[in-house]
Amino acid sequence: TQLLEQSPQFLSIQEGENLTVYCNSSSVFSSLQWYRQEPGEGPVLLVTVVTGGEVKKLKRLTFQFGDARKDSSLHITAAQPGDTGLYLCAGRLETSGSRLTFGEGTQLTVNP
Amino acid sequence: KAGVTQTPRYLIKTRGQQVTLSCSPISGHRSVSWYQQTPGQGLQFLFEYFSETQRNKGNFPGRFSGRQFSNSRSEMNVSTLELGDSALYLCASSLAAYGTDTQYFGPGTRLTVL
Repeated sequence: TQLLEQSPQFLSIQEGENLTVYCNSSSVFSSLQWYRQEPGEGPVLLVTVVTGGEVKKLKRLTFQFGDARKDSSLHITAAQPGDTGLYLCAGRLETSGSRLTFGEGTQLTVNP
Repeated sequence: KAGVTQTPRYLIKTRGQQVTLSCSPISGHRSVSWYQQTPGQGLQFLFEYFSETQRNKGNFPGRFSGRQFSNSRSEMNVSTLELGDSALYLCASSLAAYGTDTQYFGPGTRLTVL
């Protein structure tokens, strides 16, 4: 059983549609990060959320950290083909130092 | 400022061999973490080094080892390679070992074991 459950695993949508990716756990995280990864490359950080209930916006991307710091969501508005990629959530437990626990990832494909 | 660099980018080995991968962190970063990424398991934490000391270790067999040098560069070694060790090995650096500081990932080393 994954400590961080990410859903959906795959998502194929048309350009202009909205989407939401979820990251859920029964554990409390001191911080949660969202990354985007292109094929053959390392993950690139999109955002870090640290406070329960925190909402951060990055252009058309909105990130939310749950009040209890056990879950997070990524919402993309008016998706574009350039948004295609693997989206990963990663949490840091309070007892794990800088070790990140990753979700399984969501492979997003935005079709023109 | 240059990012995290990993060498080599691609590597092909056969079962039973050993391999050494290298990671140079961002200048000024003292913490280096290693992760294994496979299609079935996703990203799994291997170990973390800070100031030449292993500070944290994941659930991998002893065939996986690492070290960090005084200039913060890190190497990981896998001995007696198995087919299941085929993966993308990612290195990430951060300023310090603990806290909410951000980890920055390198492009990875793609290891194929035949």
